Amino acid sequence: AQTVTQSQPEMSVQEAETVTLSCTYDTSESDYYLFWYKQPPSRQMILVIRQEAYKQQNATENRFSVNFQKAAKSFSLKISDSQLGDAAMYFCAYRSAYSGAGSYQLTFGKGTKLSVIP
Amino acid sequence: EPEVTQTPSHQVTQMGQEVILRCVPISNHLYFYWYRQILGQKVEFLVSFYNNEISEKSEIFDDQFSVERPDGSNFTLKIRSTKLEDSAMYFCASSRTSGSPDTQYFGPGTRLTVL
Repeated sequence: AQTVTQSQPEMSVQEAETVTLSCTYDTSESDYYLFWYKQPPSRQMILVIRQEAYKQQNATENRFSVNFQKAAKSFSLKISDSQLGDAAMYFCAYRSAYSGAGSYQLTFGKGTKLSVIP
Repeated sequence: EPEVTQTPSHQVTQMGQEVILRCVPISNHLYFYWYRQILGQKVEFLVSFYNNEISEKSEIFDDQFSVERPDGSNFTLKIRSTKLEDSAMYFCASSRTSGSPDTQYFGPGTRLTVL
């Protein structure tokens, strides 16, 4: 079974600064997808960014980018120019790319609570 | 932009009662999911649903749980006899397909409180 670990329960960043959230995962599969979801106080889960494991290029979405290290099974999220609205819980998630058992579900980490200091 | 909706936003029930949580997935999506998040813990997969049947379920999804798509728009989660430990946030999600890196879009959640 796959596991996702987020070792930073809480992080803080000054507004306009850059912060990196860590995520590692354990899998025996070679093809999979990785996601970062944001959960603001409203509790809605919002997709931030996704990465296909077969792609070497790191995904970017505006101020959000990832550092995907497949060999190290690491998938960190970098937030540049942090804004007050970035304050939220951030969850890293894994999904298998193979059909069959386990292919549909997302496996989440425990989350990192990000605070943005004005 | 289309979004997944869920009702009610908060449900309070007595232990042993049945509850039905409702979701309206994005209209052209074919795969539907339920997840739950006990306060302070990680989000956990419960069940996925496609073509009017369960495609996958977790160990959490025991006989007290059931899912249904009663019409062309709603997707429901029923808990037959609620327990205190069922208190959690329940998220519905949908995706267009199961393949490719298709994204699961989440609803805002229903907070279930069992007294």
